[in-house]
Amino acid sequence: DGGITQSPKYLFRKEGQNVTLSCEQNLNHDAMYWYRQDPGQGLRLIYYSQIVNDFQKGDIAEGYSVSREKKESFPLTVTSAQKNPTAFYLCACTGRGSYNEQFFGPGTRLTVL
Amino acid sequence: GDSVTQMEGPVTLSEEAFLTINCTYTATGYPSLFWYVQYPGEGLQLLLKATKADDKGSNKGFEATYRKETTSFHLEKGSVQVSDSAVYFCALNDYKLSFGAGTTVTVRA
Repeated sequence: DGGITQSPKYLFRKEGQNVTLSCEQNLNHDAMYWYRQDPGQGLRLIYYSQIVNDFQKGDIAEGYSVSREKKESFPLTVTSAQKNPTAFYLCACTGRGSYNEQFFGPGTRLTVL
Repeated sequence: GDSVTQMEGPVTLSEEAFLTINCTYTATGYPSLFWYVQYPGEGLQLLLKATKADDKGSNKGFEATYRKETTSFHLEKGSVQVSDSAVYFCALNDYKLSFGAGTTVTVRA
């Protein structure tokens, strides 16, 4: 079955540590996205990539970094520079064309202690 | 830039009640419009979509019509169930998705 996966489901880290969240898709989609969701709020775009080896900052990129070395993978690193990293992180992917919906992974809940 | 405004919640209903969640948008082009649903602790799932004016998206008893003249895409369901309790997001896609803030819906038995 095609889909998009994120791991782990729950992640705990100490303050000051970098942490990398995994996102993998086997839908052969070109574009991938990372969003942050805080309690009771909508989604905010962190980074997106429309093609391998290329990515753009979203609305809240500060304190985050990404890479897109393979079409299937778009890992997100939450660095120690991110002031409030505790949140629910969602990865998504989409095929070409604005009529295409985004497919979302199950999310990773990051808690920084 | 593109933006989506949706009705604030939370919304609490009794089973079999009628549900409407208002959504309006601002866009420079001709976006596609979507409703997503999020159950607790999960990612978002596409509920329905419409890609051009006057299109009606429908799924699981939910409907929404793309109204270009009023720049709206209101979500409706005639008879809700407890299992419809979730957060609903309106979104538009021009070259990237823009989401509304989400509306929490709770249906009581």
